[in-house]
Order: sequence, then structure tokens, then C-alpha cells
Amino acid sequence: DAGITQSPRHKVTETGTPVTLRCHQTENHRYMYWYRQDPGHGLRLIHYSYGVKDTDKGEVSDGYSVSRSKTEDFLLTLESATSSQTSVYFCAISEKREGRDNEQFFGPGTRLTVL
Amino acid sequence: KNQVEQSPQSLIILEGKNCTLQCNYTVSPFSNLRWYKQDTGRGPVSLTIMTFSENTKSNGRYTATLDADTKQSSLHITASQLSDSASYICVVSGQGGSQGNLIFGKGTKLSVKP
Repeated sequence: DAGITQSPRHKVTETGTPVTLRCHQTENHRYMYWYRQDPGHGLRLIHYSYGVKDTDKGEVSDGYSVSRSKTEDFLLTLESATSSQTSVYFCAISEKREGRDNEQFFGPGTRLTVL
Repeated sequence: KNQVEQSPQSLIILEGKNCTLQCNYTVSPFSNLRWYKQDTGRGPVSLTIMTFSENTKSNGRYTATLDADTKQSSLHITASQLSDSASYICVVSGQGGSQGNLIFGKGTKLSVKP
């Protein structure tokens, strides 16, 4: 998984509780992303980062916030989890390289269940 | 609206047989198209990446083709193996803009039976 770890790998939580997912990379890639994957949908971008403390919203950012204080770590926070946020969350990284623009490498995923 | 459509949604084949998966897209302007393989419970792994000037790209038993005029791509798997059982995702990147401009298809779930 290209030097990408996600923690936790599985989590069950209750509606209304805060949840933080962590993505850690050892590749020193500039760009990091958070996606969610749900049945019947393609991967959907939540937020991404283009450098330390530089982040931007994706397609489905409502209810999520992110932080990146170090190159290697990208945190995804659900301030108050809802059942609609039950999903599998993937972190990805990429670096601009000649001929390989925007090739993203994915982590193993975190399965989150909100009861 | 930028979209990526894949067909079939699912496919069952016998080990050793060939198969072809389809991807149609409406993303414009277009930068590149890639195919990912996603094993159950794992993250997607890149198989091929093609720019608009490339017609075909191979990676072992996987061969991807691209027709930028008709906005169609296919992934051909030769002599399938049980380990090919996975979901295959077509992803299109729009030109310019930020790094967060990938459009993902919903995937084709392939099952290879002995």
C-alpha cells in the first residue's frame, strides 16, 4: 500500500460522537486525499491537501473537517457523526511527476460504522 | 456533467478465459485515464495510466485501450486467473485545475471461477 497506513482500520461509534481518522505516509508526497466509498457510488472526494496547512474541499465535504500539520499526517474529523457517514474511508497520496500526473496511491481503508 | 460510466456492473468468467471491461466518459477537457484494481477489503491499486495521445497500454495480462474521439476505454484481461477476482475502477482526470479533479466510475466486479 505504497507506504500509507490508516488508523483505526475499523471503528464502531454512536451518532453524535466525534471521530478522527488518521492517515500516515512515509513517501513524502505533497498531496493527500480523503475519499469515501459506498455501494452504488464511485469513490467520492471529501477533502484534499496540497501541502502542510493547505487544504481544500471536495465533492462531499459537509460534516467533515481535515487538518495537516505535518507532511506525513492527514487527519479527517467527523465533528458529530451521523448514520449517513457510515462508509469505508480511503486515504490517498500523490506527487507531480513527469508523465505520471496525479497518479494516486491508496491506503488500506478504514471501515466506519455509525449506530 | 462530468461522468464515468462502466459496464458491465458485474461479470463472472471461468479461469483461463479472456474478458473485456468497458468505460465511457464525458469528462472534458480530458487529461488522462487510469484503471485501478481493487481487491475486497483493500485500497485500489493502479494498473495503467493513459494520456489522450496513447491508444493502448499493457501491464502483464492487462491491456487498456483508449479512444479519445469516442471517449471510450476498455480493459482486456487475458487468460484470467482466480487472483483477478476484484473490482476494476475506471478513473478520468480532467485537465488543469487542482489535484482533486478525478472522476471515478462505480467499478465492474469481476469474479473468476475455477
